[in-house]
Amino acid sequence: QQPVQSPQAVILREGEDAVINCSSSKALYSVHWYRQKHGEAPVFLMILLKGGEQKGHEKISASFNEKKQQSSLYLTASQLSYSGTYFCGTEEGTSYDKVIFGPGTSLSVIP
Amino acid sequence: DTGVSQDPRHKITKRGQNVTFRCDPISEHNRLYWYRQTLGQGPEFLTYFQNEAQLEKSRLLSDRFSAERPKGSFSTLEIQRTEQGDSAMYLCASSDLNGANVLTFGAGSRLTVL
Repeated sequence: QQPVQSPQAVILREGEDAVINCSSSKALYSVHWYRQKHGEAPVFLMILLKGGEQKGHEKISASFNEKKQQSSLYLTASQLSYSGTYFCGTEEGTSYDKVIFGPGTSLSVIP
Repeated sequence: DTGVSQDPRHKITKRGQNVTFRCDPISEHNRLYWYRQTLGQGPEFLTYFQNEAQLEKSRLLSDRFSAERPKGSFSTLEIQRTEQGDSAMYLCASSDLNGANVLTFGAGSRLTVL
């Protein structure tokens, strides 16, 4: 089941903060976050696992509410390089599974 | 580590022709995924392998699509009798399940069906 993302798009000025949300109607094993710049492949940012473990880039923060099957990605003090489309991906069930991606959130950071 | 390689990067074909894409994953990665992405959409799951075993194929995927991963190394995705609706970017990703199923994507193979 494809996860839902919100908002669809957001425009920020440099230095502003943003939150991108991801939710699923299924019980999740993990939530992934990837960023894709125009014409490039998606790049891994963070994974949040059931049970509280997280792996990812130090400057990226995210949360995973296992009871609500919701995750949020927090982008603080945004930089021009943060621009791109952010996808959450989910693995359902109790262990490693296929990763199903949401429709994406387009983020534009302007000077 | 040379990353995930995909070939060809671009393919233009006429409707009705067959096309094949190749993916070489990171050598120690035992999982390999195929996704399809169209403009403005997220990657759409097609199929995935663990070593040489195909674990799942999307129910939305036509029988014209087939994938293989002989010997658990590189993989091929073949589309038979292409249609204009098959035009998309085909992405391959691999992972090693080393504590987490983190995907590393290749640059993709762009298919244009005329």
